[in-house]
Amino acid sequence: DAGVTQSPTHLIKTRGQQVTLRCSPISGHKSVSWYQQVLGQGPQFIFQYYEKEERGRGNFPDRFSARQFPNYSSELNVNALLLGDSALYLCASSFSPGVEKLFFGSGTQLSVL
Amino acid sequence: GQQLNQSPQSMFIQEGEDVSMNCTSSSIFNTWLWYKQDPGEGPVLLIALYKAGELTSNGRLTAQFGITRKDSFLNISASIPSDVGIYFCAGQYGNKLVFGAGTILRVKS
Repeated sequence: DAGVTQSPTHLIKTRGQQVTLRCSPISGHKSVSWYQQVLGQGPQFIFQYYEKEERGRGNFPDRFSARQFPNYSSELNVNALLLGDSALYLCASSFSPGVEKLFFGSGTQLSVL
Repeated sequence: GQQLNQSPQSMFIQEGEDVSMNCTSSSIFNTWLWYKQDPGEGPVLLIALYKAGELTSNGRLTAQFGITRKDSFLNISASIPSDVGIYFCAGQYGNKLVFGAGTILRVKS
């Protein structure tokens, strides 16, 4: 069975641009969470979606938004990119909203120049 | 907000050695988890702990949930080269995980 898949794997943008990252959860998983991992740090929670509804939001500005589709895939959008948005963006899925069985994808490495 | 302090920040191992790392927090967590992350990959769950005082093993890995619910440790016995990587502790807070900054495990040359 396929794990959590994310696309693209790498992305280079310039300041002020907008970016959309995509995530497909493990088949049967209804919850998707997004985390940002800056180099040298642990992942930091951005959003959780369950059954297409936002269930949690981390301490990120409104430039960050996300949505979940009927097939449970998800997109993370970041507007007006800043240099500090450069990071590995991780998507994780689980069957329920509980986080003890989170399965992470390999991430999208975003570089903002 | 919640913060997890992991130590050591990095360590060198020689094959066959036992390894120990820990995680402390100023906040109480009801669930502690340990993840390993290899280069270019996302974190992979190693062990989940659900009860204060709980001691759980997964092969050569053993982790404990501190009695105060504010700390946890991870031990790796008889380390092998593929144990190198970054180990993260994480505490569950509602429907999110709060991660430590990680312990980097390297091989002594």
